[in-house]
Amino acid sequence: EPEVTQTPSHQVTQMGQEVILRCVPISNHLYFYWYRQILGQKVEFLVSFYNNEISEKSEIFDDQFSVERPDGSNFTLKIRSTKLEDSAMYFCASSEADPPLHFGNGTRLTVT
Amino acid sequence: DQQVKQNSPSLSVQEGRISILNCDYTNSMFDYFLWYKKYPAEGPTFLISISSIKDKNEDGRFTVFLNKSAKHLSLHIVPSQPGDSAVYFCAAGSGGYNFNKFYFGSGTKLNVKP
Repeated sequence: EPEVTQTPSHQVTQMGQEVILRCVPISNHLYFYWYRQILGQKVEFLVSFYNNEISEKSEIFDDQFSVERPDGSNFTLKIRSTKLEDSAMYFCASSEADPPLHFGNGTRLTVT
Repeated sequence: DQQVKQNSPSLSVQEGRISILNCDYTNSMFDYFLWYKKYPAEGPTFLISISSIKDKNEDGRFTVFLNKSAKHLSLHIVPSQPGDSAVYFCAAGSGGYNFNKFYFGSGTKLNVKP
C-alpha cells in the first residue's frame, strides 16, 4: 500500500538554526499537509498546500515557517530560526480530493 | 483549542469484548469525522470516517456512530483484539468539498488485555 514517507525520523538542532523537514506524499494525492504534536498535547494543524500554494494555515504557522514542493515528489517544511517551543513531532500528510488524510511516521524535532 | 474532546484518556478492555471510544465536539459546522489509530513511534493510521449525512458507518470490526444533536461520536470495536491496543484519535473538519483542516482530540489509549 502506498505510504507517506518522512525524513529524517529524528532531527536535533540548536536554537536559532534553520531546519528542513522532508516528506514524500503518496504519488496521486493532490493535497498536502503538515501537522505537529508537542509532547503530551494534541495533534494540531499547521498548513495545507494545494496546486502549488498554501490553501490554509494556522496561527502557529508564522513567518518562521514555510513550505515548498520543489519537484514533483517532495514536500518540505522549513523553520527558519528554531525556538525551543518548536520541539515536537511533525507529521506530513496527503490526501486525494476527499479525506481521509494519510500520515507519515513523523519527524521528531528536538531544539536545544 | 477545545473544539474536539476525548474525555477518557485511557480505556482497558478484555480481549473479545466491545471497546467503545467516545468523542465530543463543539463546532456545529463540522461535517466530516475521522478516527485514527496510533502506535508509538508511528504516524496516525486512518481507521474509519463518517460524514454528517450519516449516523452510522461500519467497516469490519469497526463501527462509528454519529449523534449530531448531541455533537457526539463513538467508535465501537467488536471483538477487541490485543493488537488493537493503541492510542485512538478522533478528528473533525468542515469546509464542504475542500477539506483542509482537521481538529484532533487528545486521544484515548486503549489497552486490550489477553
